[in-house]
Amino acid sequence: GAGVSQSPSNKVTEKGKDVELRCDPISGHTALYWYRQSLGQGLEFLIYFQGNSAPDKSGLPSDRFSAERTGGSVSTLTIQRTQQEDSAVYLCASARQGESPGNTIYFGEGSWLTVV
Amino acid sequence: AQSVTQLGSHVSVSEGALVLLRCNYSSSVPPYLFWYVQYPNQGLQLLLKYTTGATLVKGINGFEAEFKKSETSFHLTKPSAHMSDAAEYFCAVIPAGGTSYGKLTFGQGTILTVHP
Repeated sequence: GAGVSQSPSNKVTEKGKDVELRCDPISGHTALYWYRQSLGQGLEFLIYFQGNSAPDKSGLPSDRFSAERTGGSVSTLTIQRTQQEDSAVYLCASARQGESPGNTIYFGEGSWLTVV
Repeated sequence: AQSVTQLGSHVSVSEGALVLLRCNYSSSVPPYLFWYVQYPNQGLQLLLKYTTGATLVKGINGFEAEFKKSETSFHLTKPSAHMSDAAEYFCAVIPAGGTSYGKLTFGQGTILTVHP
């Protein structure tokens, strides 16, 4: 597609439920990132994919968070047993290559997650 | 660890006035530097970036920023504010050298309000 596409755009879930957030990067982009944006913490890096592998998952806040990427394209971020502190906007971004800062990183519009 | 400081969480200007949003980084080796803009309920859009070369960088929508190594700064300016500039602005860095995977570290953001 023309841009980074994320779904759902909004999700309200009950505490304790699992949620899946999907990201469809720009075609041909091998690098994919997940970030979290919340009022108290600002923009935080979660995980980086190069192709289907994740050489940097240092930002995942707990073992309730996991992500995968298949076919070098679509990525899914899964949050198990959601807690209220997981409420945030989850942003996905992609770039042609991850190792070159000269490559522009493009962001999706985010998935707004509310845990009630 | 790399850090980014944006002075002023809120900046208010009149339409037509100069916009100045401040950003300082902390690292002994100058990082790659970025400014992103986020309009309400949207993702992040790249305004401009500095990787190498000329220290005065021009971006979209009439914005520019100057990298000053001696001041460890990368302030964003626009000569004349427009109502459509009202948004939140994020300064971000990627460490130079090493293996950063193009991972952005963001400042806390500055909300720009433009008054008629």
